[in-house]
Amino acid sequence: DTAVSQTPKYLVTQMGNDKSIKCEQNLGHDTMYWYKQDSKKFLKIMFSYNNKELIINETVPNRFSPKSPDKAHLNLHINSLELGDSAVYFCASSRPPGNGYTFGSGTRLTVV
Amino acid sequence: DAKTTQPPSMDCAEGRAANLPCNHSTISGNEYVYWYRQIHSQGPQYIIHGLKNNETNEMASLIITEDRKSSTLILPHATLRDTAVYYCIVRVVDDKIIFGKGTRLHILP
Repeated sequence: DTAVSQTPKYLVTQMGNDKSIKCEQNLGHDTMYWYKQDSKKFLKIMFSYNNKELIINETVPNRFSPKSPDKAHLNLHINSLELGDSAVYFCASSRPPGNGYTFGSGTRLTVV
Repeated sequence: DAKTTQPPSMDCAEGRAANLPCNHSTISGNEYVYWYRQIHSQGPQYIIHGLKNNETNEMASLIITEDRKSSTLILPHATLRDTAVYYCIVRVVDDKIIFGKGTRLHILP
């Protein structure tokens, strides 16, 4: 059983398009996250939601809009895609306090 | 910014213990030491964490110095599948995880 699942695994799209990445966790965790890993392999946090409420927004362009319909889902919608958005996006979840994060397997986004 | 310093890369022979060091000289009293790893093309994987006592689980052991300014992650019998980037992270419980550059561990057959 997949704990944190992301879809799609690969996404190739043209500049200017709008796309969404979906994330679901079946662990019963309260908090979910989106991370971006760029071509230099740096992992950076983008957003964090706790029980559907936004708690972290790390100066991400407002073209990126997370949506959490319920605490098991955190989707990432990206408007007007740019070349620099090409990266691997990881979803994660955790159950405080102090527990480790469980990450999904990533979505490789390529903007052409 | 990451609060830890790790060597960029290390080699270890298969079957030997891999000892990965981490310096965190500015760690605060309420910050824990966490270790994650990222195997190529996969999401990061939680390994272990501790506050001041040494910790052990099925994956690894974590040794934290008495002054808490450094720690060592020990993989007791490294296998080829342990080849990965290992991240040492310090954080207050429930704070966000900030990843540094990590140590790229190569397990040599």
